[in-house]
Amino acid sequence: DGGITQSPKYLFRKEGQNVTLSCEQNLNHDAMYWYRQDPGQGLRLIYYSQIVNDFQKGDIAEGYSVSREKKESFPLTVTSAQKNPTAFYLCASSVRADTQYFGPGTRLTVL
Amino acid sequence: GENVEQHPSTLSVQEGDSAVIKCTYSDSASNYFPWYKQELGKGPQLIIDIRSNVGEKKDQRIAVTLNKTAKHFSLHITETQPEDSAVYFCAASIRGSSYDKVIFGPGTSLSVIP
Repeated sequence: DGGITQSPKYLFRKEGQNVTLSCEQNLNHDAMYWYRQDPGQGLRLIYYSQIVNDFQKGDIAEGYSVSREKKESFPLTVTSAQKNPTAFYLCASSVRADTQYFGPGTRLTVL
Repeated sequence: GENVEQHPSTLSVQEGDSAVIKCTYSDSASNYFPWYKQELGKGPQLIIDIRSNVGEKKDQRIAVTLNKTAKHFSLHITETQPEDSAVYFCAASIRGSSYDKVIFGPGTSLSVIP
């Protein structure tokens, strides 16, 4: 059963704490992406990776970090430097960027 | 910079009526235009797409039209059903040398009233 998975579905963060969101795909896609979605708004690109061991900042990378050690995995860390991290986070993958396939999302809430 | 506008932001239709969502893009180099449907609490799902060498594409009750000269494209849903209620996003993609950039519209919340 091919697809893209994200975990956890819900995540709670305390002030000053780093948290890591998981994204895994078995679609054999080279490119992977992280987006942030705030209520009633569109998708904003945080980071993207076109190949293993390489990634680039998107439009809102401050306070976030990523790694791409395996083709299948693209974890996102929300650091304490991100002052307003409460949002819905979406991971996507593609062969080329024109058709992106999204995971089910992780809802992060700051306590 | 590149921008995708989407209208309306909210749309309510009676079941069985048609719904139309319109998007405009700014970069004439855009060559791929997908539409996504996002249900509450879920990730967006691709429902239809169109490439710049095609003017119209249809898949059952869903159709997309593209006007490259005017730089706008539209999603048409006919015979709407309650399960069509969701947020719809348009997007425009530019194939670049190092990164294929995808710009998303802000979304349209569609409500189909039974």
